[in-house]
Amino acid sequence: QVQLVESGGGVVQPGGSLRLSCAASRFSLPIFGFYWVRQAPGKGLEWVAYLQSDGSNEYYGDSVKGRLTISRDNSKKMLYLQMNNLRPEDTAVYYCIFCTSSACYFDHWGHGSLVTVSS
Amino acid sequence: EIVLTQSPGTLSLSPGERATLSCRASQSVFNLLAWYQQKPGQAPRLLIYDASNRATGIPARFSGSGSGTDFTLTISSLEPEDFALYFCQQRFNWPLSFGGGTKVEIK
Repeated sequence: QVQLVESGGGVVQPGGSLRLSCAASRFSLPIFGFYWVRQAPGKGLEWVAYLQSDGSNEYYGDSVKGRLTISRDNSKKMLYLQMNNLRPEDTAVYYCIFCTSSACYFDHWGHGSLVTVSS
Repeated sequence: EIVLTQSPGTLSLSPGERATLSCRASQSVFNLLAWYQQKPGQAPRLLIYDASNRATGIPARFSGSGSGTDFTLTISSLEPEDFALYFCQQRFNWPLSFGGGTKVEIK
């Protein structure tokens, strides 16, 4: 069974940095793209970042543009989210997502990693 | 940015009843809309994509309809495991956006 496991979450002070990782195991499906989506405590879902599997297209939500960077290592089936200049409003559970069709909906989710930005 | 508005915010129903959830887009997204289910403490899972296609492994009691700006997720007969939070999401343009969610709770 496909499994995506995030790591790297934790508590960080405002202005600090953190890098989230997402490892795929038993993943034999073709990968068309990658996403990070976050969910603040008790709130709805917010799309954060997208990266096409060949690296040709990269998009970010307005609230994170210039501070968060998505990257991947296809050979290792790893996805990353570098988070800089963090703000309290970035506090959320961050989910990594691999999409396995050209339509690239959010079809394979990790279990989520909690990032708390607080002094 | 395309805003998705879901209604109602909460739906109180009994097992066996039919659930009808609505998602309205601020502009046409054609059929480029998906529905997700989220249970407490879990990641969401894809139910419906491109407005009306069930994702792999999703039971036939879940169906989606609509196009343009108005979409509906229908659960024909609620099972105990269907009481959860449901979100719609558009992929027509960037930034991708989600609706605020509808909670389906046991009456």
